[in-house]
Amino acid sequence: AQSVTQLGSHVSVSEGALVLLRCNYSSSVPPYLFWYVQYPNQGLQLLLKYTTGATLVKGINGFEAEFKKSETSFHLTKPSAHMSDAAEYFCAVTVPSNAGGTSYGKLTFGQGTILTVHP
Amino acid sequence: DTAVSQTPKYLVTQMGNDKSIKCEQNLGHDTMYWYKQDSKKFLKIMFSYNNKELIINETVPNRFSPKSPDKAHLNLHINSLELGDSAVYFCASSQRVGGGTDTQYFGPGTRLTVL
Repeated sequence: AQSVTQLGSHVSVSEGALVLLRCNYSSSVPPYLFWYVQYPNQGLQLLLKYTTGATLVKGINGFEAEFKKSETSFHLTKPSAHMSDAAEYFCAVTVPSNAGGTSYGKLTFGQGTILTVHP
Repeated sequence: DTAVSQTPKYLVTQMGNDKSIKCEQNLGHDTMYWYKQDSKKFLKIMFSYNNKELIINETVPNRFSPKSPDKAHLNLHINSLELGDSAVYFCASSQRVGGGTDTQYFGPGTRLTVL
């Protein structure tokens, strides 16, 4: 079974500062990893995902994440925070279909990190 | 056009009642999901259907019964509602199950409050 741990339930940054949201995963097979964002009273929207290939993944709104197998991490970063980035961010993991079992297609989410951006 | 829509957006009801939440996707996807987000924002999958066939059932009480009349719709019926059922329920869809890489598209959520 897979699991995800997001370090820090709340992160606060100033506008223009670096954003770093931490995600560590556990999986017995090479995982697929996702970051979703949830704005207040809205559904989840995909920011970016890692499946195979290049370990540095770029997403929407200037976000990127790097898959580090040795550290079992998939941290989300953005060089310069904007007020509109204030939201809750969820890291999620699943496994490829050829991994078998019943896990494929099932996203396992972390606990979420609320990002606050100060003027 | 809304890709994944849910109705109602808010649902307030009494304990013991039976209620349904509807979900529709116009993306042509084969797979649909129901997730529950509790008061601590923890998001957990409940069910998944692929082409009207149940493929994931995550130890959910049998008071919860998903129904998929066609692959564009996945409704959630809840019998004998309990206080602990209060949560936000999200519907999602993806191109196909098992791909793993397929992005899941989420609806706006239905906030269920049981009094």
